[in-house]
Amino acid sequence: GAGVSQSPSNKVTEKGKDVELRCDPISGHTALYWYRQSLGQGLEFLIYFQGNSAPDKSGLPSDRFSAERTGGSVSTLTIQRTQQEDSAVYLCASSFLGVGTGVSGNTIYFGEGSWLTVV
Amino acid sequence: LAKTTQPISMDSYEGQEVNITCSHNNIATNDYITWYQQFPSQGPRFIIQGYKTKVTNEVASLFIPADRKSSTLSLPRVSLSDTAVYYCLVGDEDTGFQKLVFGTGTRLLVSP
Repeated sequence: GAGVSQSPSNKVTEKGKDVELRCDPISGHTALYWYRQSLGQGLEFLIYFQGNSAPDKSGLPSDRFSAERTGGSVSTLTIQRTQQEDSAVYLCASSFLGVGTGVSGNTIYFGEGSWLTVV
Repeated sequence: LAKTTQPISMDSYEGQEVNITCSHNNIATNDYITWYQQFPSQGPRFIIQGYKTKVTNEVASLFIPADRKSSTLSLPRVSLSDTAVYYCLVGDEDTGFQKLVFGTGTRLLVSP
């Protein structure tokens, strides 16, 4: 697609329920990233995929959070047993190459985010 | 873990030049420095990227000293619409490029 697409754009869920957030990266981009941003705060790195593999999952806040990527394209971030502190905007981004390639122009492009509110 | 440091906020007036500096002491050897702009309720938007010396595009310039331990985003003649949060992004030397560490962000307020 033309840009990184995320769905749903807004989600209100009850505490304790599971939620799935979807990210559709830019076509051809091999790397995909998930970040979280609480209201008025900076961006918190969650996880990074190179292809379907996530070399580093240490950014995930707890074992209630998981992510997967299939077919080197769409990714899903799942939050189980949601808590109120999970309320935030979840941002997905993608780039043509993985990080650290030292290649100029390997820009990371962000989607508009999925706004999650846990009540 | 690499750490980046930016001023929390800056104030300016329309038509002035604004320079925002990001310190990144542990930048990865081969990684680039990228700056983003973020408006409320939107995802970050790419502004400029560079490796060393100076890069200029239609909206900004990026100055990077030889040691690459910092970078300065320069916005010429800002307007009210440049009010936003600006982030610098660098690779993380300690974890082999796996993490992308954003700075704390600088909240720029442009007044008439």
